[in-house]
Amino acid sequence: DAGVIQSPRHEVTEMGQEVTLRCKPISGHNSLFWYRQTMMRGLELLIYFNNNVPIDDSGMPEDRFSAKMPNASFSTLKIQPSEPRDSAVYFCASSLAGTGLINEKLFFGSGTQLSVL
Amino acid sequence: AQKITQTQPGMFVQEKEAVTLDCTYDTSDQSYGLFWYKQPSSGEMIFLIYQGSYDEQNATEGRYSLNFQKARKSANLVISASQLGDSAMYFCAMREGRDRGSTLGRLYFGRGTQLTVWP
Repeated sequence: DAGVIQSPRHEVTEMGQEVTLRCKPISGHNSLFWYRQTMMRGLELLIYFNNNVPIDDSGMPEDRFSAKMPNASFSTLKIQPSEPRDSAVYFCASSLAGTGLINEKLFFGSGTQLSVL
Repeated sequence: AQKITQTQPGMFVQEKEAVTLDCTYDTSDQSYGLFWYKQPSSGEMIFLIYQGSYDEQNATEGRYSLNFQKARKSANLVISASQLGDSAMYFCAMREGRDRGSTLGRLYFGRGTQLTVWP
């Protein structure tokens, strides 16, 4: 079975450009999470969806960041305009935990390494 | 307050020895779950082991075991017979059982411990 699929694996862009990260969760999972990982701040939860509905976006750094989940099999994280401080690894993860199952683990994608010059 | 605290930024262990990675957690819920993930240098996050708050036995998965001390709110990961391939970043995480409206399903992560296994 395919795991969580993220694209692209690497993205290099210039400051001010729009960046779109994509994620396909595991089929049947009802929760999707976007995390950002940096040396300084570790793993930060940006936003998560339950049944395609954004539940908590308090981790989204600012208005430049937006996330959508138009259907159960696809989500995007967009940064517009991008800045050098957005450089990080962005992970998407999915789970069945949205139903309140405590023991459901998160399955992570391989991450997108974003570099904003 | 931090939900998950990992106080060891880095740990070193010799091959074939056992090593304990510390994790303490903070929750007022009676029902919760604790997880450990491994992140090798390639970057992917790999699930290792799970412990439920009501589980009476400590969880074990092969060479991994979880030393769960509920009263101390600690969930230390023990790796026995370390191997060179165990060198990685290790993350402790917790899911709380009570739905606070916007937290259902959420996993809280610690800052991680970088483990280096030397020959």
